[in-house]
Amino acid sequence: NAGVTQTPKFRILKIGQSMTLQCAQDMNHNYMYWYRQDPGMGLKLIYYSVGAGITDKGEVPNGYNVSRSTTEDFPLRLELAAPSQTSVYFCASSYVANEQYFGPGTRLTVT
Amino acid sequence: GENVEQHPSTLSVQEGDSAVIKCTYSDSASNYFPWYKQELGKGPQLIIDIRSNVGEKKDQRIAVTLNKTAKHFSLHITETQPEDSAVYFCAAKLRTSYDKVIFGPGTSLSVIP
Repeated sequence: NAGVTQTPKFRILKIGQSMTLQCAQDMNHNYMYWYRQDPGMGLKLIYYSVGAGITDKGEVPNGYNVSRSTTEDFPLRLELAAPSQTSVYFCASSYVANEQYFGPGTRLTVT
Repeated sequence: GENVEQHPSTLSVQEGDSAVIKCTYSDSASNYFPWYKQELGKGPQLIIDIRSNVGEKKDQRIAVTLNKTAKHFSLHITETQPEDSAVYFCAAKLRTSYDKVIFGPGTSLSVIP
């Protein structure tokens, strides 16, 4: 099993650009999550999904969108990137809301 | 809203000493409390968890204790080693319509050889 994979690993965006962060898992987990982690800080939940077709907002959803058309994939869309979105983004998955398996992260810089 | 507090934010110990990290939670219905370790440049990884029907759980040098009445739980690491140096996060599962897990702000542990 590859576990949770994220692409890209690094990305630099200009203000106002858009991009999609990809996340995939091969463990047949129904729950998937997107977090952001600012330098020296904890994890803030952006969006989560409890199954294909079901998504809900977390603590910091503004400026982001998600979709969940399959069990395996949970992409995060950034529209009109802003410097405040500079962060490390982690995707995670779990079987129900128990142990979460995290991906390696995407380091995003918006300048 | 619901939150999880964690103390201390930084902790430095001598190799071989014990380290204790404490967390409190606000949702009295929470029933699952995991601890994650995050090494530099990596995603967090579960190291131990505890459910509300037990008061203590051990796994080699790591133990977690839970006091549901006081709504706090603690991570204990004994005989610390340099490879224990990392950021540790506690978390609590909320009993909302879709069970969500809220993370504490993290503790940066440094083990000095």
